[in-house]
Amino acid sequence: GAVVSQHPSRVICKSGTSVKIECRSLDFQATTMFWYRQFPKQSLMLMATSNEGSKATYEQGVEKDKFLINHASLTLSTLTVTSAHPEDSSFYICSASRKFELDNEQFFGPGTRLTVL
Amino acid sequence: GQQLNQSPQSMFIQEGEDVSMNCTSSSIFNTWLWYKQDPGEGPVLLIALYKAGELTSNGRLTAQFGITRKDSFLNISASIPSDVGIYFCAGGTGANSKLTFGKGITLSVRP
Repeated sequence: GAVVSQHPSRVICKSGTSVKIECRSLDFQATTMFWYRQFPKQSLMLMATSNEGSKATYEQGVEKDKFLINHASLTLSTLTVTSAHPEDSSFYICSASRKFELDNEQFFGPGTRLTVL
Repeated sequence: GQQLNQSPQSMFIQEGEDVSMNCTSSSIFNTWLWYKQDPGEGPVLLIALYKAGELTSNGRLTAQFGITRKDSFLNISASIPSDVGIYFCAGGTGANSKLTFGKGITLSVRP
């Protein structure tokens, strides 16, 4: 149980285009979903926290107009990187925490490798 | 932002050996979590700890929640090649709250 999927797993796009990444909890309802980015050989950097039906909370320094997050249902959150540039190239990972569970466990998706040319 | 302290950055052990990893913080956490990440994959939850002093096992893995609530350790016994990866500790403060991560320890296992 507690499986999270991400789609696509890998995407290459041209500079200036927008890319949408989906995060789904497959066998549980997720109260909260988190979006991280990770640079090579570094730890996870939290970008934003999203709760179903409400606006995402962005971490300091993360542009909300550039990284649009939508959490339309208890099993789906999307991250859209708008007007992508090469410096947005990174490994993006989502995680989800379970509804009705009073714990702090986050279950991670397999990640999406974004390359902007 | 705050980050948990994990060191050294890399550890090299022989297959069959035990290894211990520590994670410390200047702040108190209510939850300690240990994750393992393989290259190109998302982190996988290994062990979750919720009570100060708690000792929990998951197969060859054992983790403890420090009494002061400011530290945790993870032990891997009788290491095998598939234990290779990056081990992250994470601290949480409440249900569905964001986690604070350590920088991770890269474990290499020599056959």
